[in-house]
Amino acid sequence: QVQLVQSGAEVKKPGSSVKVSCKASGDTFSSNALNWVRQAPGQGLEWMGGIIPTSGTTNYAQKFRGRVSITTDEPTNTAYMELSSLRSEDTAVYYCARSGGQGWYGLSHGMDVWGQGTTVTVS
Amino acid sequence: SYEMTQPPSVSVSPGQTATITCSGDKLGDKFVCWYQQKPGQSPVMVIYQDDKRPSGIPERFSGSNSGNTATLTISGTQAMDEADYYCQAWDNSLVVFGGGTKLTVL
Repeated sequence: QVQLVQSGAEVKKPGSSVKVSCKASGDTFSSNALNWVRQAPGQGLEWMGGIIPTSGTTNYAQKFRGRVSITTDEPTNTAYMELSSLRSEDTAVYYCARSGGQGWYGLSHGMDVWGQGTTVTVS
Repeated sequence: SYEMTQPPSVSVSPGQTATITCSGDKLGDKFVCWYQQKPGQSPVMVIYQDDKRPSGIPERFSGSNSGNTATLTISGTQAMDEADYYCQAWDNSLVVFGGGTKLTVL
C-alpha cells in the first residue's frame, strides 16, 4: 500500500518561490497521476495540477498556469510542486494525492491516497 | 471553467439519513467522487465513479449522479460522520471540486 510523505512546513516572503516534495513509499511511481491540491485556511479544496510520473506529462489548472511547476524524480519516487511569485493568498495547506487509476482517465477513479499536507505561510 | 455548487451546511440527527447534493451543468455526463475531511486531517475518498465505494468505506455511504445533480447519501448517520464533504468531477483532464458541505450530526 503506497503512502505519500510530504516535506515540512515553510514560511516564505512575498515574491519568492516554494518547492514542496512528496515521497512515495511502499510502491514505486506508476502511470497513476500524482496531483497537488491546496486548501487555504477555512476554505475548500482547490486542484492545482497533476503529472503522470512515467511520461512526465502535466496538466495544470488555468489559475496556476505559468506560476506552478510539477515534476517527478523517478529514482527516488519523489514528486515536487514549485509555486513562484508567492503572495499572501497562497498561504494554505498543500496536499499531494494519487489518482486511483492509470493515465488522466484514472482521475475518474478519484484520488485514493493523500499525503499529510504541508503548510506554506507567505508573510 | 466548470463549476459545481454544494450547500454550505447540512444537519442530520443520529441514525437518520443525510443527503448532500452537488450541482453542475450536465454533471451526470461526468464521473463524480466524494471526499470526507475531518478537522486537521487529509481528505478521504468515500465514493468514486458516481457510486462506487473504496475498500474500507462503510456501506452506509452511497452515491448517485444524474442530470445536473450528484448526491451523496449517508444512511444511519453516526456522530463520527460529522465532517466536511467535497464533490469532485473530472472534466477534460482537469479536476474540479465543489465548495464543500459541512455535515453536522446533532
